[in-house]
Amino acid sequence: NAGVTQTPKFRILKIGQSMTLQCTQDMNHNYMYWYRQDPGMGLKLIYYSVGAGITDKGEVPNGYNVSRSTTEDFPLRLELAAPSQTSVYFCASSYARGTGTETYEQYFGPGTRLTVT
Amino acid sequence: TQLLEQSPQFLSIQEGENLTVYCNSSSVFSSLQWYRQEPGEGPVLLVTVVTGGEVKKLKRLTFQFGDARKDSSLHITAAQPGDTGLYLCAGGIGEYGNKLVFGAGTILRVKS
Repeated sequence: NAGVTQTPKFRILKIGQSMTLQCTQDMNHNYMYWYRQDPGMGLKLIYYSVGAGITDKGEVPNGYNVSRSTTEDFPLRLELAAPSQTSVYFCASSYARGTGTETYEQYFGPGTRLTVT
Repeated sequence: TQLLEQSPQFLSIQEGENLTVYCNSSSVFSSLQWYRQEPGEGPVLLVTVVTGGEVKKLKRLTFQFGDARKDSSLHITAAQPGDTGLYLCAGGIGEYGNKLVFGAGTILRVKS
């Protein structure tokens, strides 16, 4: 298994441009997440999904959009990029059987380093 | 907003020393996870604790969940250069505990 893969690894955008960060997992996990990590700030949840066709906002969703058309893929769309979106973006997945005793341990991809200038 | 305060932010020690990293909050969490992250990579799960007062050991690492499930600690015995990295604590929140809130992290450097 490749686990969680993310593309691209690095990207430089100009202000106002748009792009999609790709995330794929091959573990058949139902939950998927997008985080951003800024220096000294830990990880902040942007969006998450509990299954195909279902997404919900996290702590910092403004300026981003997501979709989940398949179990495997969870792309993150940036519209009208701004310097404040310069960050490292991580995609993660976890599996829950729905027993009510889950702990949702997350498996992370290697990240995408995005710079907006 | 549920916050996890992690301390210290940075720790530089000599090989063989012991250390403790703390993770504190005023909120109750359904679980508490510890991750380790190396430069240029994503976080990797070390351990999950779910019961108040629970203690888990992973070789030289000891993890403890507070009785009230609001705080946690990570203790490393006889640190080695290979322990160098960013340590992150994360608390389970939401109706089903299916979201995590992360602390800001502790950068550990172990010098040989």
